[in-house]
Amino acid sequence: ETGVTQTPRHLVMGMTNKKSLKCEQHLGHNAMYWYKQSAKKPLELMFVYNFKEQTENNSVPSRFSPECPNSSHLFLHLHTLQPEDSALYLCASSQGHFVVLAGSGETQYFGPGTRLLVL
Amino acid sequence: AQKITQTQPGMFVQEKEAVTLDCTYDTSDQSYGLFWYKQPSSGEMIFLIYQGSYDEQNATEGRYSLNFQKARKSANLVISASQLGDSAMYFCAIPHSSASKIIFGSGTRLSIRP
Repeated sequence: ETGVTQTPRHLVMGMTNKKSLKCEQHLGHNAMYWYKQSAKKPLELMFVYNFKEQTENNSVPSRFSPECPNSSHLFLHLHTLQPEDSALYLCASSQGHFVVLAGSGETQYFGPGTRLLVL
Repeated sequence: AQKITQTQPGMFVQEKEAVTLDCTYDTSDQSYGLFWYKQPSSGEMIFLIYQGSYDEQNATEGRYSLNFQKARKSANLVISASQLGDSAMYFCAIPHSSASKIIFGSGTRLSIRP
């Protein structure tokens, strides 16, 4: 497989459920990201990992718990979510978390996303 | 702080026509870059084109080109000879000052009519 993959592609869960989203990148990148995309809202960065270490937590509620066991895999563990958490969750990776500096031209490569519906 | 503004929530264009998607930005950085991404209904965010603020010539990638006007702080995406497969959401983005994240605009939904 190539690029960034995400599973599952679609997920429906109740507010009391516990589920996990998985992201895997096959690009040899060192940084991975979780984004949330809600309807009619700009893309929101949730977490950043660089070389397996979390470098950014964008004030995300504790019901979202990320895990990065290695540079190729990123998980988002979900528990006691709310209906307003329904959104498209996108994973991305880049060579390093500072490579989006101006002039570098490096960018983030995104997975296809997981469409989450919380009932 | 960086800010990206896309003023066109939706656009309809006839197939084979050229289309310009607007993007204005605000940044205090002396050196920065602008990205454009395409997001089809499948959800994946696809990188299209990039231009750095010190690049003298407008970037081009196939049918995509960036009309970069620093004085006006605009970085419009031009798609030539539009195709039905171009129908998607388009996002303009700029790196955040901390350089560990990208700030995205609210997007423009482009629909190509046959």
